[in-house]
Amino acid sequence: EVQLVESGGGLVQPGGSLKLSCAASGFTFSDHQLDWVRQAPGEGLEWVGRTRNKGNTYTTEYAASVKGRFTISRDDSKNSLYLQMNSLKTEDTAVYFCAREVQYQVLFSYYYYMDVWGKGTTVTVSS
Amino acid sequence: QSALTQPASVSESPGQSITISCTGTSSDVGSYNLVSWYQQHPGKAPKLMIYDDTKRPSGVSNRFSGSKSGNTASLTISGLQAEDEANYYCCSYARGSPWVFGGGTKLTVL
Repeated sequence: EVQLVESGGGLVQPGGSLKLSCAASGFTFSDHQLDWVRQAPGEGLEWVGRTRNKGNTYTTEYAASVKGRFTISRDDSKNSLYLQMNSLKTEDTAVYFCAREVQYQVLFSYYYYMDVWGKGTTVTVSS
Repeated sequence: QSALTQPASVSESPGQSITISCTGTSSDVGSYNLVSWYQQHPGKAPKLMIYDDTKRPSGVSNRFSGSKSGNTASLTISGLQAEDEANYYCCSYARGSPWVFGGGTKLTVL
């Protein structure tokens, strides 16, 4: 069974740091691009960032709201994805989901979508 | 990158059909055949319902269908059932982003 399980959430003070993990199983982790998506209380989904796979040189991309504060990394040997969050703000309070991307090519076009999501881990930034 | 525009809420009776719209721009919805739709029940993870504008993953009921015209994508649910009551989010690949979500639509099955 394809599965993603997030961990590492908790209560942190503004300005603090936290590192989230996402453990994957049931698929070839190294083949996939992976994303972090968050959801503030009572709000919609917000894309946080993405790491590409080895074939795409592990390139990372971030939303403007977290760029320079958050860092995404992965360890293919451990089937794990990480989100290092620094300089946390109260507005970073959210449930953080990791998601697997499917990528495929048809002729000269690439297609992507996020197909499997974890259940999320809750981050609360408060004094 | 601005969020895609969805109606905040829609409602319909069981057995009827409903369509949820998702309006973007020529930089996202209108540029790529990469709109996906997610169903989310309260406290749960999002579930993929439609991808690549119109494709349905295996295991998703054929009551769910996707379409697109210009900068607006749509999700249609036919034969509404009580279990369809949930929040629905559209998502599109976007120039420079790469992903942008809609604000979400709360579906109530009356």
